[in-house]
Amino acid sequence: AQSVTQLGSHVSVSEGALVLLRCNYSSSVPPYLFWYVQYPNQGLQLLLKYTTGATLVKGINGFEAEFKKSETSFHLTKPSAHMSDAAEYFCAVSGANNLFFGTGTRLTVIP
Amino acid sequence: EPEVTQTPSHQVTQMGQEVILRCVPISNHLYFYWYRQILGQKVEFLVSFYNNEISEKSEIFDDQFSVERPDGSNFTLKIRSTKLEDSAMYFCASSSPGKGSYNEQFFGPGTRLTVL
Repeated sequence: AQSVTQLGSHVSVSEGALVLLRCNYSSSVPPYLFWYVQYPNQGLQLLLKYTTGATLVKGINGFEAEFKKSETSFHLTKPSAHMSDAAEYFCAVSGANNLFFGTGTRLTVIP
Repeated sequence: EPEVTQTPSHQVTQMGQEVILRCVPISNHLYFYWYRQILGQKVEFLVSFYNNEISEKSEIFDDQFSVERPDGSNFTLKIRSTKLEDSAMYFCASSSPGKGSYNEQFFGPGTRLTVL
């Protein structure tokens, strides 16, 4: 069965600091992994996805994530946080016809 | 840029009433999904729909729930007799032709359902 675990329901960083949001997955098959972002009162927007190939995936807004099979991880990073990055972030792993989401991490950026 | 739309943005209903949540997926997409997010909890899969039939459903999607694509543009989720625990944000999503969630799922803004 597929599942993801996001460590830390809330993360606060200073503007300009490194953003690191953690995600570990469990999958019985080679996983397809996703990070989605949700801004207040909006839907889920895809940040990036890993399917096959290069394990370091670059997404929108300067975010990237690295698939590490040995650690069953897919952590999301951004070198320098911006105020506009404040949002809820969801990691997800694919099922046959659906996505399994984590509980989300709320990112706060402190000026 | 094409987007998934959902109406209403907020629905308040009395326990036991029927509600219909509406979605307009992106026009050339063929896979449609409903997810829900109870306040403070994870986003949970409800159902996927392809070729006018349910392709997969979760254990949450019991007989109280149904989906329909009544015309070429709308995709609806009906809850026949709402319960307090149905209060949640409901997200519709669609994806382009191909293998289900291996293609990007585009999500709507959600409908917040409040059952009193």
